Amino acid sequence: DQQVKQNSPSLSVQEGRISILNCDYTNSMFDYFLWYKKYPAEGPTFLISISSIKDKNEDGRFTVFLNKSAKHLSLHIVPSQPGDSAVYFCAAWNYYGGSQGNLIFGKGTKLSVKP
Amino acid sequence: EAGVTQFPSHSVIEKGQTVTLRCDPISGHDNLYWYRRVMGKEIKFLLHFVKESKQDESGMPNNRFLAERTGGTYSTLKVQPAELEDSGVYFCASSQVTGTYNEQFFGPGTRLTVL
Repeated sequence: DQQVKQNSPSLSVQEGRISILNCDYTNSMFDYFLWYKKYPAEGPTFLISISSIKDKNEDGRFTVFLNKSAKHLSLHIVPSQPGDSAVYFCAAWNYYGGSQGNLIFGKGTKLSVKP
Repeated sequence: EAGVTQFPSHSVIEKGQTVTLRCDPISGHDNLYWYRRVMGKEIKFLLHFVKESKQDESGMPNNRFLAERTGGTYSTLKVQPAELEDSGVYFCASSQVTGTYNEQFFGPGTRLTVL
């Protein structure tokens, strides 16, 4: 059963407009969330994160919003650029004590930014 | 500083054969993770090493998969015998600190195709 869900497999946006990527999670014990970006034939690279004690984190054109009561987070990219075209993965840090923890990923959303 | 490297980048084998994937983490990173992405699905955790010790192998699909990290440096993931459902992209990631979330750096992945 998926604990992190990205229900939109793809999203197409015009250059300069806002891209909004959504993510839902089921486990209320998750307290740290991340977005990774992946280009073809490359590994995922870290983009931005948010702790559950915050509801917003901003880094340049990228902002992540967290709604804990709805178990929902979103990534906003403003303005979108063609170089942002990639697959975006939402992930939760699944920490279960001591030195044990791993990332739980969603299926990813493929973003296409059209010039 | 060199990133996480993986070898080979691609491997095509027949069902029943053996394949060994290799991962070289970033130097000095004690934590090494293996993940797998089957086509169109989420990136799934397989196992976690802290130095040479297996910390968590709860994600390993079955006993056809064997991971090692001799000397706490590079790691290998052997699949023997390979089955069709083992096809996918295998990612390795490393991080410096154990316990609380510490950024994981991913390699480019090994694409395994089992025919």
